[in-house]
Amino acid sequence: SQQGEEDPQALSIQEGENATMNCSYKTSINNLQWYRQNSGRGLVHLILIRSNEREKHSGRLRVTLDTSKKSSSLLITASRAADTASYFCATVPYSGAGSYQLTFGKGTKLSVIP
Amino acid sequence: NAGVTQTPKFQVLKTGQSMTLQCAQDMNHEYMSWYRQDPGMGLRLIHYSVGAGITDQGEVPNGYNVSRSTTEDFPLRLLSAAPSQTSVYFCASKNSRNTEAFFGQGTRLTVV
Repeated sequence: SQQGEEDPQALSIQEGENATMNCSYKTSINNLQWYRQNSGRGLVHLILIRSNEREKHSGRLRVTLDTSKKSSSLLITASRAADTASYFCATVPYSGAGSYQLTFGKGTKLSVIP
Repeated sequence: NAGVTQTPKFQVLKTGQSMTLQCAQDMNHEYMSWYRQDPGMGLRLIHYSVGAGITDQGEVPNGYNVSRSTTEDFPLRLLSAAPSQTSVYFCASKNSRNTEAFFGQGTRLTVV
């Protein structure tokens, strides 16, 4: 079953604008990760945030995690046409539960218009 | 460093045929897994392995077999292909339980 659910399913913005994607999940986690997938390619890891962290930054990426609401958000600032891709959140379950493998949401398709 | 390598990139099978999707990683990762990606469904876990000789089922294991005889290789076997197995298949590996995963470029499989 899907653990993470991204919102919105699709997002279209102008170059230079910020893009925000949200992810909700169902069970206790050890960490939450965000991945990017360019059309027809494999997934590339962007950022990992642990359950005891609330915010993390990497370049133009900012991720927040609210474990009380079981939700996370990914903010891409000053978007570029090259950011056009699908973005997935994925969770690793809390110790002792599950397969230890990533459980993915259905993704948000981001289009950045030049 | 090649990372995770999947072969073939594309494959067309007839219903009932069998085939093996290859996956190899050169990062000495213990954890390897297979996912399938269908439109609107995200990635779903098929099988995974936490080390050589150890495999287990994921969310959608029916119709697939795996084995892990070495740390590097984790092949996925389709026993008798069905149109419902038309999908894009991704292999992934990671160093330990709570770290990020590295993905191959995928195998696009069509079963007619």
